[in-house]
Amino acid sequence: DAKTTQPPSMDCAEGRAANLPCNHSTISGNEYVYWYRQIHSQGPQYIIHGLKNNETNEMASLIITEDRKSSTLILPHATLRDTAVYYCIVREWNRDDKIIFGKGTRLHILP
Amino acid sequence: GAGVSQSPSNKVTEKGKDVELRCDPISGHTALYWYRQSLGQGLEFLIYFQGNSAPDKSGLPSDRFSAERTGGSVSTLTIQRTQQEDSAVYLCASSLEAGDSSYNEQFFGPGTRLTVL
Repeated sequence: DAKTTQPPSMDCAEGRAANLPCNHSTISGNEYVYWYRQIHSQGPQYIIHGLKNNETNEMASLIITEDRKSSTLILPHATLRDTAVYYCIVREWNRDDKIIFGKGTRLHILP
Repeated sequence: GAGVSQSPSNKVTEKGKDVELRCDPISGHTALYWYRQSLGQGLEFLIYFQGNSAPDKSGLPSDRFSAERTGGSVSTLTIQRTQQEDSAVYLCASSLEAGDSSYNEQFFGPGTRLTVL
C-alpha cells in the first residue's frame, strides 16, 4: 500500500505557484520523499526527492516539515504543460525494486 | 540519448489470444521494471529484473502473465489467453543499479496500450 495521502485534484492559475501537499505520517527515518509526475499518455517522470532538508532543482522545490510527516511540492510558475498527475512516494534510499504509486493529485493548470 | 522504448505503442487483440509486449531499456541500465495502468487507476507493479533474473515477480496477476529478459537488455512481457480485464497501458521502466551516491531514478517508456476485445 502507498504510504502517502494526497488530494485527488487541484487547480492552479497559469503563472502562479502550484503547491501540492502530501501527508506521510508513518515515514521512517531511512525513507525519502520522492515526487514523480505523469503527463497524459506518457510514462511517469521523476521530479525531485529529499530526506529532511528542503530541495530545489530546475523543475520544482520540495519543502519537508521538520517532523517529516508531510511535504509540499512547489512548481514556482505553473504553465499549461504542468497539467499532470503528481505522485508523492515514500521510499528507502537507493532501492532497486518497485515503486509503489498511490492515486496521486491531478493538477489542472487554468489559462 | 535514447530513452526507454516500447513496442507496439498500441495493440488490439481478441479475447483468448496471446500477446507479446517489448521493452528496450536505456543502454547500460541493469534494472528493468514492468508496471500497468488500467483506465482511471494508478500504476500497478508487475515484475522487476536485475540483469536477466527477476527477484520480484509478486505483481504478476496470474500465471497467464510471464516476462523474460535476455542479454541484460530487451525484455518481453507475454500475456497468454488474454481477457478483457487485461486491457491497460503497460509501462516499462529502467534504472542504473543502486549505488551508494546516486539516486537510481526509474526512467519510464511511453507504454503499450493493450485493448482486449
